[in-house]
Amino acid sequence: DGGITQSPKYLFRKEGQNVTLSCEQNLNHDAMYWYRQDPGQGLRLIYYSQIVNDFQKGDIAEGYSVSREKKESFPLTVTSAQKNPTAFYLCASSNTGEGANVLTFGAGSRLTVL
Amino acid sequence: GDSVTQMEGPVTLSEEAFLTINCTYTATGYPSLFWYVQYPGEGLQLLLKATKADDKGSNKGFEATYRKETTSFHLEKGSVQVSDSAVYFCALRGGANSKLTFGKGITLSVRP
Repeated sequence: DGGITQSPKYLFRKEGQNVTLSCEQNLNHDAMYWYRQDPGQGLRLIYYSQIVNDFQKGDIAEGYSVSREKKESFPLTVTSAQKNPTAFYLCASSNTGEGANVLTFGAGSRLTVL
Repeated sequence: GDSVTQMEGPVTLSEEAFLTINCTYTATGYPSLFWYVQYPGEGLQLLLKATKADDKGSNKGFEATYRKETTSFHLEKGSVQVSDSAVYFCALRGGANSKLTFGKGITLSVRP
């Protein structure tokens, strides 16, 4: 079955450490996205990529970095510069153009900073 | 810019009750409108959509009508089930090259 795989599901990090969240899709989608979900704030876009080797900042990119070296993969690094990294992180993918109306989401990764 | 406003939650209902979740939007032009649902421990999935005024999206007993005159896309279901307990997000997309904008989401709990 096609879908999006995020790992790890749960991650604990000490303050000052960088951590990388994995996102892999086998849907042959061109576009991929990272969202952050906090209680009462809904989903906020961190970064997105519409094509390999290209990505754009979303609404809350500070303290995060991404890469898009392969079509299937869009890892997110939460750096020590992110002041409040504890959150639920969701990766999504879609086709581009009109196909971008429908996002397919992964199951999410919950990051807790100790 | 584009924005989506959802009613405050959470919402708790008894099984078989009628559900309405309000959603209004602000956008230039003619956006496409969506409802996504997030079941416990999972990512979001598309529930229904409408791409032009007066369209009605429907799925799994849920319905929402695109009302341009009131800039609304309220979600309704005539008889909710315990399995409908989830977080519901209203979203819009302003145009072919714009991103999805989500509302804050609302948690629905259905009691047996």
